[in-house]
Order: sequence, then C-alpha cells, then structure tokens
Amino acid sequence: QQQVKQSPQSLIVQKGGISIINCAYENTAFDYFPWYQQFPGKGPALLIAIRPDVSEKKEGRFTISFNKSAKQFSLHIMDSQPGDSATYFCAAPGDSSNTGKLIFGQGTTLQVKP
Amino acid sequence: DAGVIQSPRHEVTEMGQEVTLRCKPISGHDYLFWYRQTMMRGLELLIYFNNNVPIDDSGMPEDRFSAKMPNASFSTLKIQPSEPRDSAVYFCASSPGPGSSYGYTFGSGTRLTVV
Repeated sequence: QQQVKQSPQSLIVQKGGISIINCAYENTAFDYFPWYQQFPGKGPALLIAIRPDVSEKKEGRFTISFNKSAKQFSLHIMDSQPGDSATYFCAAPGDSSNTGKLIFGQGTTLQVKP
Repeated sequence: DAGVIQSPRHEVTEMGQEVTLRCKPISGHDYLFWYRQTMMRGLELLIYFNNNVPIDDSGMPEDRFSAKMPNASFSTLKIQPSEPRDSAVYFCASSPGPGSSYGYTFGSGTRLTVV
C-alpha cells in the first residue's frame, strides 16, 4: 500500500513570499503526481500535476519539483497571496496499474498574511 | 455541468441509526471514488468503482459500511449501524478515465455527525 508523507502540517507566509510544501512517497508508479487545493467547506480541487519522467512543471505562480530517485516532490507557490490561504494535499498513485487510485498526504494548512 | 453533487450536505444522527450518503458523478465519468476526511487520518480512500463495478473496497473500515452504484449517475454509501467514530466529512469524486492524469472532481462533501 502506497504511503505518502507531507510536511509541514501548517505554514504561515507573508504576502509576496514563497510557500514550499514537501511530499515523500514509497512506491514507484508511472502515473501523474498531483497537488490539490481545498478551501473551507469545499472539496479538494486539482491544482497542478506532474508526470514522473519530468523534474519540474510550472503553471503561473505554482511549480512542482519532482525528484524521482529520492521519491520526493514539492509544491512551490511564488508571490504568495492571501487568496492562496487553503489546505494543500499532495497525492501519489495508489498502485502500479494506473487505475487512478490516489493516496493523499495529510495536508498542509497555508496561511498567507497580508 | 453542475459538477459532482452530494447529498445531504450535513447529517446529524444518533448512534445506531442507519445513514445513507448520496452522490451523482459528472456525466461521462467512468470512475467514482468515496473518501473520508478527518483531522486525524486525513483523506482516506474507502472504495472506488469503474463503470459501476466496485474495484477496490479495501479501505472500507468494516462491515458496517457498504457502497453501491446501481447506475452510472448514482452511488450511495451506507453506514449501518452508525457510531460516533464515523463522524467525518465524506467526499465523493469522479474521474473520466484511469490514471491520475485525468484528475478527480470532488463534490462538496457530506459532514456526518453521529451523537
């Protein structure tokens, strides 16, 4: 069974700063590794995802860095804004057969102070 | 499309009662997932379906939990009898295809409180 460890549990960043959230997984699978964003009272929403054969993917202010050999990947939020305040979850494929089963990290609560 | 629709949004029930949570996935999405979210355990996968067939129910905590998908547009998660430790937010999500590249669309969840 895939295990996913996410850190830190919570993060406070000043507006304009860089937010960094880390994730480690155990089992290798050739499938996308996504990050989800969740606002209070809502379900998680897909933010950005990366294929395991590339080392970085950038979409606007959000970047995923992927280190396949270390089985780690991270989310970087550049120029963090108060509207980015939310809970962020990393996820890893739950098995090697690309069924779409995802195992989520414990989540990181981000607060961006104005 | 209205997205993934879950009902009810909130449910308060007494211990021992039966609880049924409902989900309508996005039309055309062949995969449906049920997750439970708690502070202690985060997002746990309970069960998922492909084309209405249960594929993996290894996350279902015990026999008190059951899930069905009688057709492509409807799924239920039933807890009978309910216990206080079942209190959590239950999410339904759907996906158009296999593999995490397709992404999940989550519903807004059902907050269950068992007293």
